[in-house]
Amino acid sequence: SQKIEQNSEALNIQEGKTATLTCNYTNYSPAYLQWYRQDPGRGPVFLLLIRENEKEKRKERLKVTFDTTLKQSLFHITASQPADSATYLCALVGGSNYKLTFGKGTLLTVNP
Amino acid sequence: EAQVTQNPRYLITVTGKKLTVTCSQNMNHEYMSWYRQDPGLGLRQIYYSMNVEVTDKGDVPEGYKVSRKEKRNFPLILESPSPNQTSLYFCASTGGAVTTDTQYFGPGTRLTVL
Repeated sequence: SQKIEQNSEALNIQEGKTATLTCNYTNYSPAYLQWYRQDPGRGPVFLLLIRENEKEKRKERLKVTFDTTLKQSLFHITASQPADSATYLCALVGGSNYKLTFGKGTLLTVNP
Repeated sequence: EAQVTQNPRYLITVTGKKLTVTCSQNMNHEYMSWYRQDPGLGLRQIYYSMNVEVTDKGDVPEGYKVSRKEKRNFPLILESPSPNQTSLYFCASTGGAVTTDTQYFGPGTRLTVL
């Protein structure tokens, strides 16, 4: 069956360091992959989308890579700040109805 | 301001008492969907709608109904709520292709069924 795994439930890093979050998938051939940020008790907020034919995408301090051979996406936040503390979700788009399926998320805590 | 609104934001009810959670978007989006979020299970899609009068089941549709009579509204109906439907519910909408366009989420509805 199709599976999406975000390898760490929680990640703690020091302010200023680069945070790297992982999203792995199996039994999927996603056309697109999206990353969202979710704060406690709030709806997810879209951050970045990467297509299967793109290796890397950047937006300000954010960088996403997509390796369809490894079936993995990496999400990087450089020069991390305490305000970056949140849960980050990856979502895959695939299938005949282009349904969006979410991973369970990684809780990132950036310590001052 | 572009947004997705949900009402109510919080609801405590009892088993078997029918309820409706409303969802409305002001962006003229065609695609709308409902998700529930539970600890350890993540976000799971309940139902989605590609356009007016077009709805389809997501991953966990049992115990839920939806309707899409107008483009802007997509209510979620629980005809006979049960305690296992206690959850945090999100409505979302997308303007163009669900693949490539931003999905906008509502603020969430926290439902408790006693």
